[in-house]
Amino acid sequence: EIVMTQSPATLSVSPGERATLSCRASQSVRSDLAWYQQKAGQAPRLLIFGASTRATGIPDRFGGSGFGTEFTLTISSLQSEDFAVYYCQQYNNWPMYTFGQGTKLEIK
Amino acid sequence: EVQLVQSGAEVKKPGESLKISCKGSGYDFTRYWIGWVRQMPGKGLEWLGIIYPSDSDTRYSPSFRGQVTISADKSINTAYLQWSSLKASDTAMYYCARHSSEGDAYWGQGTLVTVSS
Repeated sequence: EIVMTQSPATLSVSPGERATLSCRASQSVRSDLAWYQQKAGQAPRLLIFGASTRATGIPDRFGGSGFGTEFTLTISSLQSEDFAVYYCQQYNNWPMYTFGQGTKLEIK
Repeated sequence: EVQLVQSGAEVKKPGESLKISCKGSGYDFTRYWIGWVRQMPGKGLEWLGIIYPSDSDTRYSPSFRGQVTISADKSINTAYLQWSSLKASDTAMYYCARHSSEGDAYWGQGTLVTVSS
């Protein structure tokens, strides 16, 4: 099983500032990496797939990068609606897709 | 419009059986894998398994194999997740999601399962 490790567990950032979230895979997943946003009481929402491609309707302040084992989600200028929990997921190891434990992005 | 609509919340006792559903619409249900994800209270997302409704090819996470059963009825565009004997530790929100090589863009609204004596 590929283990996904996200850091930090909690990130405190002020609105308008930049947020950088990290995700590390225990072995290479190439670019088969997705990022999801989840708000309280809601289903996860796909933000990024293929490590760097924004899903339909996702604002361009969300950016993904990385390959292999190290990945980053960057939110360039935080809006109030961006404070949520973010998960990375690898879908390289078929059919054992695994999620990271999540990063909670909170208002500083 | 692609939609996945899940069945409603359930309250069960330990040892009881349960089958929850996920109905797809707005796309060819037989052409996409449907995955199931668990989220225990206050916790993260866990991948349970996945099914291809066209031929019911099913794969399970090793952690959940034998604990749940995933099935599908393509004639009514519905996937299922079932338990034969619930435990208190099965209390969680369960989501279905349509999987593709471009990520899981479509999710059901979730089904809350509460198991309590």
